[in-house]
Amino acid sequence: ETGVTQTPRHLVMGMTNKKSLKCEQHLGHNAMYWYKQSAKKPLELMFVYNFKEQTENNSVPSRFSPECPNSSHLFLHLHTLQPEDSALYLCASSQDQERAQYFGPGTRLLVL
Amino acid sequence: EDKVVQSPLSLVVHEGDTVTLNCSYEVTNFRSLLWYKQEKKAPTFLFMLTSSGIEKKSGRLSSILDKKELFSILNITATQTGDSAVYLCAVLTGGGNKLTFGTGTQLKVEL
Repeated sequence: ETGVTQTPRHLVMGMTNKKSLKCEQHLGHNAMYWYKQSAKKPLELMFVYNFKEQTENNSVPSRFSPECPNSSHLFLHLHTLQPEDSALYLCASSQDQERAQYFGPGTRLLVL
Repeated sequence: EDKVVQSPLSLVVHEGDTVTLNCSYEVTNFRSLLWYKQEKKAPTFLFMLTSSGIEKKSGRLSSILDKKELFSILNITATQTGDSAVYLCAVLTGGGNKLTFGTGTQLKVEL
């Protein structure tokens, strides 16, 4: 049990669908992150939220839309995705932006 | 552009062997270096290194950072099959809001 949970664990969607990924952390952390992990490539940072405010958007296409309603919850809204967006999407949290990040189990996304 | 390079890319050893994994980096505004172990899904935090020359230990794992030569090593002694995983190195930079990962070292420990 990592203290960071993600749902769903697996998702298959068509290019015209709209879906959302959810992340919840039970560690009392103030910073939350979305990462994308594709085969044979390093983990890529997508978004950073610190105290619910977005502090980093790493040139992510607008078809990915994050939402952080409070320090414990983070969403990633998906719409009109492309097959190349298929990947493992990992959520992480940390006490603050200078501490170690702890990861959730990830959502394996397949876009058809 | 910040860069983190890990070597070797993959490694196969026998149980009981000692392994050394390498991580070198070229980044702007270094804050700290982190090691993670990734088995099936989520990377699991191992160490966070901020100062040079101070070894961090956890059981059979240890790590050290050299900020002058810009690298870190992760040592695993008396390896076990349960150590089989991808070991990820990452560098925290800037205001602490950017973590750049290497591609990882795939370690397989055989009986």
